[in-house]
Amino acid sequence: NAGVTQTPKFRILKIGQSMTLQCAQDMNHNYMYWYRQDPGMGLKLIYYSVGAGITDKGEVPNGYNVSRSTTEDFPLRLELAAPSQTSVYFCASTDRGDDTEAFFGQGTRLTVV
Amino acid sequence: EDQVTQSPEALRLQEGESSSLNCSYTVSGLRGLFWYRQDPGKGPEFLFTLYSAGEEKEKERLKATLTKKESFLHITAPKPEDSATYLCAVPGPAGGTSYGKLTFGQGTILTVHP
Repeated sequence: NAGVTQTPKFRILKIGQSMTLQCAQDMNHNYMYWYRQDPGMGLKLIYYSVGAGITDKGEVPNGYNVSRSTTEDFPLRLELAAPSQTSVYFCASTDRGDDTEAFFGQGTRLTVV
Repeated sequence: EDQVTQSPEALRLQEGESSSLNCSYTVSGLRGLFWYRQDPGKGPEFLFTLYSAGEEKEKERLKATLTKKESFLHITAPKPEDSATYLCAVPGPAGGTSYGKLTFGQGTILTVHP
């Protein structure tokens, strides 16, 4: 099993550009999460989903959008990129919710210039 | 507001020098406390889950313990390959606004020198 796969691994965006970070899992997990990690700041939850068609905001949702049309995929959309969105983004999934083991992808390092 | 605080921010050890990392939390109705290991350029990898005060879990040179206010990750006779960032996290309490959301500490960067 591949687990959680994120693409791309690296990306440089110009201010105002848009992009979609892809996340796919092959473990048939209902719960999926997007985090951002800034140096020395731990992980902050952006959005999460408890199943296909259901999403909810996390701690830092501004400037991002998500959709969940299938169990496997949970893309994160950045509209009008800003330097403050320079960060490392991690996608994760769990089997039964936030009180069970999370499986993380390898991350996407995004730089907005 | 749920808070998770880890200390120290960074820890340098000599190979074989045992020590402990701390994770303090302020959440009512704890539904578990998680420890993850993160290597540079990679996503966090699950280590342990603790659910109740007094519980202990071990894996190789690591042992995690839990009290009502904090958790410790004890590292016995560490090796250079134990160098990584160690993160702790707690899920939001049932019935609260943060239910379903995992809150992470800022992590402890552990460096073990040969």
